[in-house]
Amino acid sequence: GNSVTQMEGPVTLSEEAFLTINCTYTATGYPSLFWYVQYPGEGLQLLLKATKADDKGSNKGFEATYRKETTSFHLEKGSVQVSDSAVYFCALSEGETGGYNKLIFGAGTRLAVHP
Amino acid sequence: DTGVSQDPRHKITKRGQNVTFRCDPISEHNRLYWYRQTLGQGPEFLTYFQNEAQLEKSRLLSDRFSAERPKGSFSTLEIQRTEQGDSAMYLCASSASGRQGGELFFGEGSRLTVL
Repeated sequence: GNSVTQMEGPVTLSEEAFLTINCTYTATGYPSLFWYVQYPGEGLQLLLKATKADDKGSNKGFEATYRKETTSFHLEKGSVQVSDSAVYFCALSEGETGGYNKLIFGAGTRLAVHP
Repeated sequence: DTGVSQDPRHKITKRGQNVTFRCDPISEHNRLYWYRQTLGQGPEFLTYFQNEAQLEKSRLLSDRFSAERPKGSFSTLEIQRTEQGDSAMYLCASSASGRQGGELFFGEGSRLTVL
């Protein structure tokens, strides 16, 4: 079945450091790919998405590129801030084209950024 | 409308009791999803509604779990004869239809503790 694997955390960085969180997937067909973020005490929020190969999703300085050849969707940010501390989830979308979004999530990676 | 709301936010119950969670989606969204999240894991898909129709329920964890969306607006998730293994965060999400790769909006979840 479809699945998502992401690097284990926690990832601990100093402010302004470069961030990479690895995500690889297994899927039949051509799923859409997502990064969701969960800040402390809040619900999951969509961070960025890509719907086809070679698409780059970006938001709030974060980027991820849909790499079909390596089945990857790694999250990157050039300079992290303390406010980026959260749990980050990589996900893929199952379901029909144009249909519902049954998301398959990875286990999540906790990021802690200190001043 | 400020987003997806879930009630109660926390529920502590004794093993064998029944519990019910309610989800109010974003008003213009016709799709509604239930997920379960256990500690250290990503959300796990349970079931999905389009309007009042439950289009997928194969992932409901056992026949003790059931969900309804009687008028195509709010939804309830019921767990009968709870077990300690049911302790988890139960998440609700909603989305608009007709948008491949469309965004799911999550509520803050209902945390269940079974003693």
